[in-house]
Amino acid sequence: EAQVTQNPRYLITVTGKKLTVTCSQNMNHEYMSWYRQDPGLGLRQIYYSMNVEVTDKGDVPEGYKVSRKEKRNFPLILESPSPNQTSLYFCASSFREMNTEAFFGQGTRLTVV
Amino acid sequence: AQKITQTQPGMFVQEKEAVTLDCTYDTSDPSYGLFWYKQPSSGEMIFLIYQGSYDQQNATEGRYSLNFQKARKSANLVISASQLGDSAMYFCASRGNSNTGKLIFGQGTTLQVKP
Repeated sequence: EAQVTQNPRYLITVTGKKLTVTCSQNMNHEYMSWYRQDPGLGLRQIYYSMNVEVTDKGDVPEGYKVSRKEKRNFPLILESPSPNQTSLYFCASSFREMNTEAFFGQGTRLTVV
Repeated sequence: AQKITQTQPGMFVQEKEAVTLDCTYDTSDPSYGLFWYKQPSSGEMIFLIYQGSYDQQNATEGRYSLNFQKARKSANLVISASQLGDSAMYFCASRGNSNTGKLIFGQGTTLQVKP
């Protein structure tokens, strides 16, 4: 089954404790992105990757890191989480063609206290 | 820069009736794609329908259709014969011809279907 798998689904952590949210896709997509969803703001892109070892900042990259060592994996790293990073996070992947839809992971609801 | 505007934060519709969710977009890209996603209360993002900027006909997928008016820069989603399971948040999104794969999302519209 074609899918994007994100883990964990829920995470409660304390300020400053490093965490990683994993993302894996099995569709051989070139593009992968991370978004955060906040009420009234829709989804905003954090980081994206066009291919292995190619990553770049999206609209709200502060406080986040990513890596793309393999085509299928695109982990999101919060080195020192803060309460303003409490949000719903989505990983997404797609082919490079503009007319192809993005597939989303199940979402990770992160709470930083 | 691209921008998507959804002006209806919440809407109600009676079961079995049709409903239109509004979406306007602003882009300088000569070609672009417009998408609608559904997000039920469980949280996942479900792709519904796609419209390309050069498509001559409005897209349809089952009970979903897209009322695309390029001159007005609108891409409204029409859901026919609403069902209780249609209650969810709906997002309009656009994708331009940049190399980022980036989707620009609107703020979303929450739809509630009344029995």
